[in-house]
Amino acid sequence: QKEVEQNSGPLSVPEGAIASLNCTYSDRGSQSFFWYRQYSGKSPELIMFIYSNGDKEDGRFTAQLNKASQYVSLLIRDSQPSDSATYLCAPRLGGGGADGLTFGKGTHLIIQP
Amino acid sequence: DAGITQSPRYKITETGRQVTLMCHQTWSHSYMFWYRQDLGHGLRLIYYSAAADITDKGEVPDGYVVSRSKTENFPLTLESATRSQTSVYFCATARGATSTDTQYFGPGTRLTVL
Repeated sequence: QKEVEQNSGPLSVPEGAIASLNCTYSDRGSQSFFWYRQYSGKSPELIMFIYSNGDKEDGRFTAQLNKASQYVSLLIRDSQPSDSATYLCAPRLGGGGADGLTFGKGTHLIIQP
Repeated sequence: DAGITQSPRYKITETGRQVTLMCHQTWSHSYMFWYRQDLGHGLRLIYYSAAADITDKGEVPDGYVVSRSKTENFPLTLESATRSQTSVYFCATARGATSTDTQYFGPGTRLTVL
């Protein structure tokens, strides 16, 4: 059974600080991970995809993956009010899986000006 | 290039009525999905489709029917709407050959069942 755990929050971070979002997963077959961002009243949009252990950086966003610990995180540097949203983690099974992605319930992030 | 469109964007209906939510994509992606999103439950997969005329159940399929006669369209029908089906419904497509490739979401339909 695939389970994805995220702290629902809200996580409140002051503007300019680093926001750290965490995701743990139960399926050891998960090979890679998606991070989606969802603004209130909008649909999820892809912001990061990571498939290797270690860090992947894209602008102010850094995804960190530790397969041994079944843990993936998303760091947002120099947080901006526009980063206030819900962030969804979704593991991807190796080999593609059979029935799509399983999304975590998301962490609600609030960047305080 | 519109990508994925959903219609209607907002719908209010009454218990027992049949409702069809439409999803249309312009990318020719093979996989299409229907999710519902509720507070406390996150995104839950209702049905998905690997190609035209191929559909399969997701996590919460009861009370819903899908069809896919053309690659670009994937309508979702609530045969007899219930209050518990009040939700936001998202259609998504997956670029690539598997159901776990990158998914792209439509704008959503907010459905209220009175």
